[in-house]
Amino acid sequence: AQSVTQLGSHVSVSEGALVLLRCNYSSSVPPYLFWYVQYPNQGLQLLLKYTSAATLVKGINGFEAEFKKSETSFHLTKPSAHMSDAAEYFCAVSDQTSYDKVIFGPGTSLSVIP
Amino acid sequence: DAMVIQNPRYQVTQFGKPVTLSCSQTLNHNVMYWYQQKSSQAPKLLFHYYDKDFNNEADTPDNFQSRRPNTSFCFLDIRSPGLGDAAMYLCATSIGQGGTYEQYFGPGTRLTVT
Repeated sequence: AQSVTQLGSHVSVSEGALVLLRCNYSSSVPPYLFWYVQYPNQGLQLLLKYTSAATLVKGINGFEAEFKKSETSFHLTKPSAHMSDAAEYFCAVSDQTSYDKVIFGPGTSLSVIP
Repeated sequence: DAMVIQNPRYQVTQFGKPVTLSCSQTLNHNVMYWYQQKSSQAPKLLFHYYDKDFNNEADTPDNFQSRRPNTSFCFLDIRSPGLGDAAMYLCATSIGQGGTYEQYFGPGTRLTVT
């Protein structure tokens, strides 16, 4: 069965430091990949998506992610953390049995220390 | 702005008292989803509609029902809420076939069961 793993349920970074959130997926076919962000008491917002075009994907709020097929990874990065980046981040992969559905990772809670 | 709207944002119901949550969209998307999200967990798909076609997840309890009377609206009915049904309920939409499968989420309804 397909799965998504996110290494580190909690990540803390200092303001201005590099943000790196890790995501690995399992899929036997080329997937669609997504990163979503969720602020407290809100819905999920799409940060970026990979849909088999460029392997380096740029998203909103200065985030980007790189698709590495050989590593089955889709890590999310941002060069300089801002206090407003504190949130929950979910990596997701399209369900190869039903592309209408996605499989979410367990999430990583990002804290930004002033 | 095109969006996904959920009402109410906060709902309190009594144990065993039926409750209905509503979702509407102005995106004209074919697919609508209902997710349940408990604290510090990823969203869990309950069911989704592709147009009028209803797709239930195998592990969704019978206590949860849904209706989609037209393209714009979708409802989640919880027939006899238990304490374990207290959660955030998220509605989402996607274009469906021909799109790139990202989902657009509403702000959620937080359900409290007393």
